[in-house]
Parts: sequence; C-alpha cells; structure tokens
Amino acid sequence: GESVGLHLPTLSVQEGDNSIINCAYSNSASDYFIWYKQESGKGPQFIIDIRSNMDKRQGQRVTVLLNKTVKHLSLQIAATQPGDSAVYFCAETDNQGGKLIFGQGTELSVKP
Amino acid sequence: DSGVTQTPKHLITATGQRVTLRCSPRSGDLSVYWYQQSLDQGLQFLIQYYNGEERAKGNILERFSAQQFPDLHSELNLSSLELGDSALYFCASSVHGTAGQPQHFGDGTRLSIL
Repeated sequence: GESVGLHLPTLSVQEGDNSIINCAYSNSASDYFIWYKQESGKGPQFIIDIRSNMDKRQGQRVTVLLNKTVKHLSLQIAATQPGDSAVYFCAETDNQGGKLIFGQGTELSVKP
Repeated sequence: DSGVTQTPKHLITATGQRVTLRCSPRSGDLSVYWYQQSLDQGLQFLIQYYNGEERAKGNILERFSAQQFPDLHSELNLSSLELGDSALYFCASSVHGTAGQPQHFGDGTRLSIL
C-alpha cells in the first residue's frame, strides 16, 4: 500500500522573535529528556538535555522546561534566526538504559 | 560535526538483496545505537551495543542484524530487503550507553529499495 507521511506540526515565526516548541511525553518513568534539531539531509543534532530532577535548564539561546505533572516538555529559542529552521524532536529515556523514544517532531520555519 | 561517521550516505538496491551499513562512533564512545527513520513511523530505535555486546533490542526485524567490532565500529546488516525497508538509518553513540547520557548522531544512510 501507499505510505502516508507523518504530518508534522509546523511553527512559523518571524526572525528575531522567540519560539516555543512543545512536546508531550507518555512514560511517567522517563527521567532524562533531550531536544534534537534535524536539518534536511542531516542527522539529529543534540541541542540540550534535562534530567527529571530539574524543571528548567538553559543553554545558549535555548531553554528547556519540564513539567512532570502533566508530562510536558518545551523548548524555547530566543531571538530565532533563519538558521534555526529545521525539524525539532524531543526524546525521552528511562532508567532502564539508553534507548531514546522520539516524539513526532515539529517543523520550525523562520521568516526573514 | 557530531564525530559519528556513517557510510555509505546513499544505497540503492533491489528487493530481495542484502546490504551492510557501517558506523564509526565518536572517539571515546563505547556504545552504539541504530535507529530507523521512515516517513510513516518517525525515528524508531532498533538495537544498541556496548563494548561489543548487545545491550538492548527494539523494533528490529529478524531480517536485520547488527554487530559491534573490537575497534567499536558497528555494522547493520539488512537482508531479504522489501520496499518497506526504504528509510534513513541512523547510528548514534554515547560514552557508556547508560541512561542520562546524550546520544550523538551521524548523518545517516539513505536506503532506497527499487
């Protein structure tokens, strides 16, 4: 049969604005979370991670927020630039080992 | 550049054939993971190796197998290929392969089955 592609949520922002990308995770036992950026033709690129004993972590222009109560993760990108255009994935893992479970991804489009 | 190297970048072959995908992890990383990225399934974990031993298995078909060699590079073997095996195959590596460590990905091998 014919394959149906994943319909990725899309976020379109103006250059210079802040972006917020959201992710819901399913496993309450997950205790480590990572955000990845994937550009066309490339592999997922590590952006930032957070452990379940934290609710916020900041990097360079990026902040990850974790709300364990509602199993929600968000990635905030400050002063979004055209080079930030990509698909962003959240991933989770539990304390059983290192395998990552990925969300479906969000496509970020930055308008100059 | 993540430091993870995958070859070849592209593979085109026919149904029923067998292919081998190769991965060299980042220097110092002992664990290797394989993932499949397809249009309809997203990124799916296949298998993990740590220092030559299989550590975890995910949704890997019996037609697929992998190994990690003493020099820590890994190979993913796909046999009796079907049209549905067309996908991007990614390798990732981490230091010890335990929870709480980031995995760094290569740029993948794009497999096309005709």
